[in-house]
Amino acid sequence: GENVEQHPSTLSVQEGDSAVIKCTYSDSASNYFPWYKQELGKRPQLIIDIRSNVGEKKDQRIAVTLNKTAKHFSLHITETQPEDSAVYFCAASEGLTGGGNKLTFGTGTQLKVEL
Amino acid sequence: DGGITQSPKYLFRKEGQNVTLSCEQNLNHDAMYWYRQDPGQGLRLIYYSQIVNDFQKGDIAEGYSVSREKKESFPLTVTSAQKNPTAFYLCASSNWGQGTSYEQYFGPGTRLTVT
Repeated sequence: GENVEQHPSTLSVQEGDSAVIKCTYSDSASNYFPWYKQELGKRPQLIIDIRSNVGEKKDQRIAVTLNKTAKHFSLHITETQPEDSAVYFCAASEGLTGGGNKLTFGTGTQLKVEL
Repeated sequence: DGGITQSPKYLFRKEGQNVTLSCEQNLNHDAMYWYRQDPGQGLRLIYYSQIVNDFQKGDIAEGYSVSREKKESFPLTVTSAQKNPTAFYLCASSNWGQGTSYEQYFGPGTRLTVT
């Protein structure tokens, strides 16, 4: 089955700096890569996702890059703000026949944005 | 928020007892999922269902059972056979099929403590 590794496990940045979280996956058949943000005590929420036919996707301060050859993808947050502090999870989908997704998650990165 | 609900928020049980966690969605999603979240680990898939009266085992199905009698509902039973049942349980739902959004929407979670 799929295996997703995520680094670092904790990340501390100064407000206004950039943050980068990296993930690698093992199954070359994976074709969908979402990133979820989970604030303390709350449900995970999708912040950005990318499919395997795209190398990069941006949404305001957030961007995701995908390198299919190397089987890794990264989350980039620019101009970090205190409200960006949360746990971020990457995931990869095995791409089931007929559509849909069966996600395998990384172990999470605790991002802390310091004033 | 809203759209997918879980109850109760906190649940306490004695060892050896079965317990059922509720998950309901009004998003008209075909697919529903159950995940388990432990400290320092990512979300791990327990079971998923693509359609009413059908479900598949995820990565850690041992000691759990599910049913899908209605499109809106996907209850999870934690049986006494589950060796380490204390965890945070998250239910999710998504569309299913080619050409649809792959986003999984999560419920608020149920924190189960077994002593």
